[in-house]
Amino acid sequence: ILNVEQSPQSLHVQEGDSTNFTCSFPSSNFYALHWYRWETAKSPEALFVMTLNGDEKKKGRISATLNTKEGYSYLYIKGSQPEDSATYLCAFGSNFGNEKLTFGTGTRLTIIP
Amino acid sequence: EPEVTQTPSHQVTQMGQEVILRCVPISNHLYFYWYRQILGQKVEFLVSFYNNEISEKSEIFDDQFSVERPDGSNFTLKIRSTKLEDSAMYFCATATGLGGYTFGSGTRLTVV
Repeated sequence: ILNVEQSPQSLHVQEGDSTNFTCSFPSSNFYALHWYRWETAKSPEALFVMTLNGDEKKKGRISATLNTKEGYSYLYIKGSQPEDSATYLCAFGSNFGNEKLTFGTGTRLTIIP
Repeated sequence: EPEVTQTPSHQVTQMGQEVILRCVPISNHLYFYWYRQILGQKVEFLVSFYNNEISEKSEIFDDQFSVERPDGSNFTLKIRSTKLEDSAMYFCATATGLGGYTFGSGTRLTVV
């Protein structure tokens, strides 16, 4: 059974501050690590798909890094805004792009205006 | 931007009844999935579907569940004889096979 963990489970951050959270996953049989942003009543929105050790990806104020040897990924948000409030999910892909994802529990981020 | 559409958004059903959850995938996507999230738990994989057949299924996906793509567009999840523990948010997702999924907004199923 694959174990994907995220920490912290929830986080309150003052508007304008930067923050980061962690996803840990099995370091063996790695193919891809996905990050999603999920607002209540909406579809989970794909942020990043990362496949190579050392990958760093950026989308606006959000960036992510990947360490497949030790089995972790960090998601960073710079200069948090109220619209960043959401649950951030990571998911471990066992076969690139076409097989099942194993999700973490998510990090619930709340930005305090 | 292309979307995955799920209907209904919310379904309430009596225990023992059958439900069909529907998904309209993105037109050029070849891989289809169902996931669910029971309240307070992780999103969990149910089944993947490719080339008109199931490619992988989880332990959860027992004989109570079935999937099909009857008309080449809609992708459906049928749950026969629903149980209380089937109450969850059910997500459809589709993919091109080149990485990255597109999720629908989910169907909240409540079994009473």
